[in-house]
Parts: sequence; structure tokens; C-alpha cells
Amino acid sequence: GDSVTQMEGPVTLSEEAFLTINCTYTATGYPSLFWYVQYPGEGLQLLLKATKADDKGSNKGFEATYRKETTSFHLEKGSVQVSDSAVYFCALRSTSNDYKLSFGAGTTVTVRA
Amino acid sequence: DAGVIQSPRHEVTEMGQEVTLRCKPISGHDYLFWYRQTMMRGLELLIYFNNNVPIDDSGMPEDRFSAKMPNASFSTLKIQPSEPRDSAVYFCASSLVPVMNTEAFFGQGTRLTVV
Repeated sequence: GDSVTQMEGPVTLSEEAFLTINCTYTATGYPSLFWYVQYPGEGLQLLLKATKADDKGSNKGFEATYRKETTSFHLEKGSVQVSDSAVYFCALRSTSNDYKLSFGAGTTVTVRA
Repeated sequence: DAGVIQSPRHEVTEMGQEVTLRCKPISGHDYLFWYRQTMMRGLELLIYFNNNVPIDDSGMPEDRFSAKMPNASFSTLKIQPSEPRDSAVYFCASSLVPVMNTEAFFGQGTRLTVV
């Protein structure tokens, strides 16, 4: 079945550092890919998405490119802020899995001032 | 729209008691998902509905768990009897009929503590 694997955390960074969170997927067909973010004490909210190969999703300075050849969707931000401290989830949705959202384990990111 | 609304936000109950969690999806959304989040297991899909019909309940951990969706605007997740290991944050999410690029919208969650 469909699955998502993301790098294990926790990740601790200093402000203005570069952030990368790796995400790879296994799916039949052509899934849509998502990054969700969960701030402390809150529910998950969509950060960005990409629906086909080579699409780049971007939001709030974060970017991720849908790479079909490497089945990856790595999340990047060039200069993180303390307010980016959160848990980040990679997810996919595909027709072969009845559109069920499959999530990775989540990566906890802490940014220090 | 107010988004996905879950109630209660926090629930503390004694072991053996029945617990009912409630969810109101976004109006017009056809899919509804129930997730459980714990430190040990992360985010787990428990069950999801399409047009009020349960599609996949393979993630429901035990017979003590049940979920219903009597109409398009309301769903419940019930645990009877509850146990301390059920302590977790339970999320409800809804989405439109995919349309592949449709994301799911999450509620704020219910933090359940069973003592």
C-alpha cells in the first residue's frame, strides 16, 4: 500500500539556519503530495502541496518539489525563525488508495533564537 | 466557514467509562477522517467515511472503539469501556471529494486522558 517515510527528528536549529526535512514515498500511480504543519497545541494545517511531477509547492518561505524519479518531496526553508518551531508531516493521497491521506511519522523542529 | 469543529477540546475520564468525541465537518465536505495522535505511534488513521458511509475501519484498534456518521454534518467516535492506553489527541478531518489535489482540513483535536 501507499506509504510515506520522513526523516526522524527531533531537529534543532538556530535562527536563520537552513532547514531540510527529507520525505520519500511509495505509491501506485501518481499521488498528490502534501506537507502539513502542527504548531504546539493545535491541529494540523496544510503548509503546501504539489499534484504532479516537477511541481513546486511553496508557502511562508517553505518549498518542496515533487520528484517522481526519486519519489521524494523534501521540505526546505532557507532561513528559519523561532516561529517555525513545530511538527512537520509529509503526506500523500492517491487514487489507488481510495484517496486516503497517508501521513509520515512527523518531524519535530525546534528553532532557537 | 468555521472549519472542522471538535468537542470537547479536553476530556478526562476514569478507566471503564464511556467516552464520546464529536466532530462537525466543513459544510459540503464528503470525506471525514478520524485520527489518533500519540508520542509513541504518531498520527494513526482510525476510520474514514465517504458520504456518511464507513469506507475503511481497519485502523480502529479494538472493538471498544466505534464510529458513526448519522448525517453529513456530524460524526462521533465512541470508546467503551475506556482504558488508560487510549489517552491521546484525537483529530477529525474533512475534505471534498477528490479531485486528487484536495487537502484535508483538521479540527483542533480532543485531548483525551483516561485515568
